[in-house]
Amino acid sequence: DTEVTQTPKHLVMGMTNKKSLKCEQHMGHRAMYWYKQKAKKPPELMFVYSYEKLSINESVPSRFSPECPNSSLLNLHLHALQPEDSALYLCASSQDRTSGAASDNEQFFGPGTRLTVL
Amino acid sequence: RKEVEQDPGPFNVPEGATVAFNCTYSNSASQSFFWYRQDCRKEPKLLMSVYSSGNEDGRFTAQLNRASQYISLLIRDSKLSDSATYLCVVNRGATNKLIFGTGTLLAVQP
Repeated sequence: DTEVTQTPKHLVMGMTNKKSLKCEQHMGHRAMYWYKQKAKKPPELMFVYSYEKLSINESVPSRFSPECPNSSLLNLHLHALQPEDSALYLCASSQDRTSGAASDNEQFFGPGTRLTVL
Repeated sequence: RKEVEQDPGPFNVPEGATVAFNCTYSNSASQSFFWYRQDCRKEPKLLMSVYSSGNEDGRFTAQLNRASQYISLLIRDSKLSDSATYLCVVNRGATNKLIFGTGTLLAVQP
């Protein structure tokens, strides 16, 4: 059973809609991530939050807006998306220590939100 | 050159077979190494972290060769339930940014 939850599981939206994806983790992790995954491709990192502050933005278009209200919650606000943004959006969390130990970098994924943009 | 490279497969093996996956990475500053498993239309799940001394978890054995920048995963006595895509994952330097290989598809046949 995953300890990272995501809602909704599926989302269909038009290009003019505004919607939000939600993620919650209960492992006391201080780093949280958003990934985008297209079919038959590996996950691509979008954003990293470390101690509730945005630490990495992988040049993601501004129509995707992340938010970290507290250490357990991560949101991704969507506005004016394009059909090519249709994908599986994955949230993950991890400890946030760069000790070099593998266990500090283990990321645990939620089940994802499957997004379709019409 | 991709930062993490894997043979995409597919690997089609009979039940009970031993199968090995290989992976190479280009960033010598990488410090953490993992194998994830991803079932169709599901999220990646951590299979095991890979340590310099090599590590084993039941039927699964992972090896790391830092000099050659090479990681391997050995699965013994394959089960039908092992069918999935296996992702080789490396962190970028001393960061928490993970770089995923393209994955190797394994199909275990009855």
